[in-house]
Amino acid sequence: NAGVTQTPKFRILKIGQSMTLQCTQDMNHNYMYWYRQDPGMGLKLIYYSVGAGITDKGEVPNGYNVSRSTTEDFPLRLELAAPSQTSVYFCASSYATFSSNQPQHFGDGTRLSIL
Amino acid sequence: DAKTTQPTSMDCAEGRAANLPCNHSTISGNEYVYWYRQIHSQGPQYIIHGLKNNETNEMASLIITEDRKSSTLILPHATLRDTAVYYCIVRPQGGKLIFGQGTELSVKP
Repeated sequence: NAGVTQTPKFRILKIGQSMTLQCTQDMNHNYMYWYRQDPGMGLKLIYYSVGAGITDKGEVPNGYNVSRSTTEDFPLRLELAAPSQTSVYFCASSYATFSSNQPQHFGDGTRLSIL
Repeated sequence: DAKTTQPTSMDCAEGRAANLPCNHSTISGNEYVYWYRQIHSQGPQYIIHGLKNNETNEMASLIITEDRKSSTLILPHATLRDTAVYYCIVRPQGGKLIFGQGTELSVKP
C-alpha cells in the first residue's frame, strides 16, 4: 500500500513564484490535512478537509489555498511565495466520523525553500 | 496551544524500557490521549491512543492515571531506531491534532 504520497520531495522557489504541493492517498480516507513544520518546532495545521468539496482553515492558513475535488487528492497552493513559507510540509489523512478516532497517517513531507 | 506538557529531552539505554511522561491536567471527559513520534526527516508516525483505560499494542503501552491528568508512554525494549521526537497530544473525538514541542528521546548503546 502506498498510503499518503507527497510530491515533490524537495523544491526551491524564488520570492513571488507560485507552486502546488501534491498529496494523494489510497486508503479511502475522508479526512485530509496539511501541516507545516518549521525547524525545531511541532507541526502546525494549515488547512483540512472532511470530504470532497469541503475545506476549512487550520491554525496558519494565510498565504495558502486548498481544494478537494476528489477523495484521494488534496493539493496545497502557494500563490506568492514568501521567505516565511520556507518549511517542511506534511500531508496526512484519516478515516473519521463523529464517533470514531482513527489515527492520522502522514506522508514523508515536501521540503520547500524560498529564496 | 498544545494542552500537554512534556520534558524537552530524555535519554535511555538500549534494551531498557523508555518511559515518557506527559501532563494533561486540563483534559476534558471526551478527549483522547494520542502519541505520535517523528524520526528525523520523516513524517510523524502514530503509536497508540487511549481514553481512560491502559492500552497496549505491538509498539508500546500507554498508562493513563485514574484522574486522567497524566499519562506515560512505555517502549518496553528501546532500540537505537526508537530515537525520535515523541509527541503527546490531547484530542477531542473527531477533533484536530495540535502538536507541541514533544520529547526528544535519545536511545544510547
